[in-house]
Amino acid sequence: GQQLNQSPQSMFIQEGEDVSMNCTSSSIFNTWLWYKQDPGEGPVLLIALYKAGELTSNGRLTAQFGITRKDSFLNISASIPSDVGIYFCAQGAQKLVFGQGTRLTINP
Amino acid sequence: DTAVSQTPKYLVTQMGNDKSIKCEQNLGHDTMYWYKQDSKKFLKIMFSYNNKELIINETVPNRFSPKSPDKAHLNLHINSLELGDSAVYFCASSSGTGGYNEQFFGPGTRLTVL
Repeated sequence: GQQLNQSPQSMFIQEGEDVSMNCTSSSIFNTWLWYKQDPGEGPVLLIALYKAGELTSNGRLTAQFGITRKDSFLNISASIPSDVGIYFCAQGAQKLVFGQGTRLTINP
Repeated sequence: DTAVSQTPKYLVTQMGNDKSIKCEQNLGHDTMYWYKQDSKKFLKIMFSYNNKELIINETVPNRFSPKSPDKAHLNLHINSLELGDSAVYFCASSSGTGGYNEQFFGPGTRLTVL
């Protein structure tokens, strides 16, 4: 079945630093999604990508759909304390397949 | 107003018991889902309903039985609970079934089986 490999598994950074995480897929799919999960909450969609090469921003977040359609990255610029959480990549339409998540910790 | 709500937020029970988790969405969506998140935070889909009809049924033990009384509600009943059922269960909803439609997640129900 489809598998998503997300890295890194965790990141410990200083406030103000930029963050980069990525995801690779064993299959080709038509969407790449990036979600964030705060402690005690459900995942919330940050960015959705629909075609190869697409680069989309949402405030300080930028994500790209890789040309090969098998990878995607998410960048966060100038991190702030509220960026703390778990970031998930996902693929699919109705049946979402999630990566293992990247846990982001920020030292003030 | 909460878009996707789940009850209870926490559920602690003994092995062998039967329990239910309820989900309601007020977004007017016609597709609802159940996901399971394990202790390593891995999220996996279990079921999906569209207009009260089951459309996705992953390899889930038949002790788990979803029920959708109407398109705004999707409940999950679990029989003969086992230790391995301990997890956080998330309900989600989206509009439509064609292509990708954003899935909105509830706050989760943390189930602990002792």
